[in-house]
Amino acid sequence: AAGVIQSPRHLIKEKRETATLKCYPIPRHDTVYWYQQGPGQDPQFLISFYEKMQSDKGSIPDRFSAQQFSDYHSELNMSSLELGDSALYFCASSRRGQGVNIQYFGAGTRLSVL
Amino acid sequence: QQPVQSPQAVILREGEDAVINCSSSKALYSVHWYRQKHGEAPVFLMILLKGGEQKGHDKISASFNEKKQQSSLYLTASQLSYSGTYFCGTEKYGATNKLIFGTGTLLAVQP
Repeated sequence: AAGVIQSPRHLIKEKRETATLKCYPIPRHDTVYWYQQGPGQDPQFLISFYEKMQSDKGSIPDRFSAQQFSDYHSELNMSSLELGDSALYFCASSRRGQGVNIQYFGAGTRLSVL
Repeated sequence: QQPVQSPQAVILREGEDAVINCSSSKALYSVHWYRQKHGEAPVFLMILLKGGEQKGHDKISASFNEKKQQSSLYLTASQLSYSGTYFCGTEKYGATNKLIFGTGTLLAVQP
């Protein structure tokens, strides 16, 4: 079965650079979520989109922005990167119309800011 | 507020049982359970709604006490493959577009 696809899997950036992370949800899933997970931490919710509209916002810095496109893929844009942004970034998708909102996670993008 | 899990860590021998608890201070719409191995994505195990339970795997089950805002995950006859960090993820009423993950429980199963 198709899973959530994230790219790139690894990314190395310098401080103050920008990064773009991409997420392709499971086919027919209409909701995308972004989470940030620091070393030894639990995943922290950043932002979610339902049918291409932002549906909820968590602890996402103002330097970050995200959107969901017409084909339901999503991109997380991160600017003015800081050392503290180094983390695993997960995208998850779900199909809300099912009534049970199960989120399936992608393999993640490991971002290292030097 | 973040749900609190207990215990923080547990070491088992193969074949032993374990219980992981998840406690929230907020009224919950649902509780999701995930297992995560180091450096990998969280893997969905099961979801519980309004006091019901759904089995995701034969030897892993869970319960949800709405009144106490608590959920427990039961692992029976543990296998080496059960090792990892277990997270509960909670959805609140009116905020079902995100999961708030618990503090995590590290489970190590030894031969």
